[in-house]
Amino acid sequence: DAGITQSPRHKVTETGTPVTLRCHQTENHRYMYWYRQDPGHGLRLIHYSYGVKDTDKGEVSDGYSVSRSKTEDFLLTLESATSSQTSVYFCAISGGLAGEVNTGELFFGEGSRLTVL
Amino acid sequence: DQQVKQNSPSLSVQEGRISILNCDYTNSMFDYFLWYKKYPAEGPTFLISISSIKDKNEDGRFTVFLNKSAKHLSLHIVPSQPGDSAVYFCAASATGNQFYFGTGTSLTVIP
Repeated sequence: DAGITQSPRHKVTETGTPVTLRCHQTENHRYMYWYRQDPGHGLRLIHYSYGVKDTDKGEVSDGYSVSRSKTEDFLLTLESATSSQTSVYFCAISGGLAGEVNTGELFFGEGSRLTVL
Repeated sequence: DQQVKQNSPSLSVQEGRISILNCDYTNSMFDYFLWYKKYPAEGPTFLISISSIKDKNEDGRFTVFLNKSAKHLSLHIVPSQPGDSAVYFCAASATGNQFYFGTGTSLTVIP
């Protein structure tokens, strides 16, 4: 199994508060992703990173920001959480070692369940 | 706008029979397709993939078929087992960087 951990695994917060989810990998993979899973929508890409300090937007990036200061960590921040951001968030990694072409297979973390009241 | 669609939210199959899960896509630039399996409270796990240069890829009980002209792929599971009961997502990519997922099909294999 790919070494990928997400924290926190569960969080309840109030509307308007900032929230940061952390994804940590021990595989030295180049690509890291944040997805959210919602009923009727499947998995939707929020942001992804293709290297340290290199990030790009996905399908549903509004209201989210990301940072990647080290290969192993990819942070997802909700600056001011809203109820529509209640979801299960999955981090994923892919590709070979840093610098290699992305092979395309994604390895997912166990998910972080966020509830915004 | 959903670029990858799984029109069957659920499917029930008898143990030992074939399970066929379908997926349609709209973006003709997609050239790599994957299937993932997800159990409750776990992250999705990779099952099988296929590139656009092929029309079939097989791995044990799992076979994926790709029909590029119809923009359609399917996953066949033969024989189906109770442990196959899960939600199955198809995914597609054009660049190898962004992966677009379908809404998932919940498969129940009845013993």
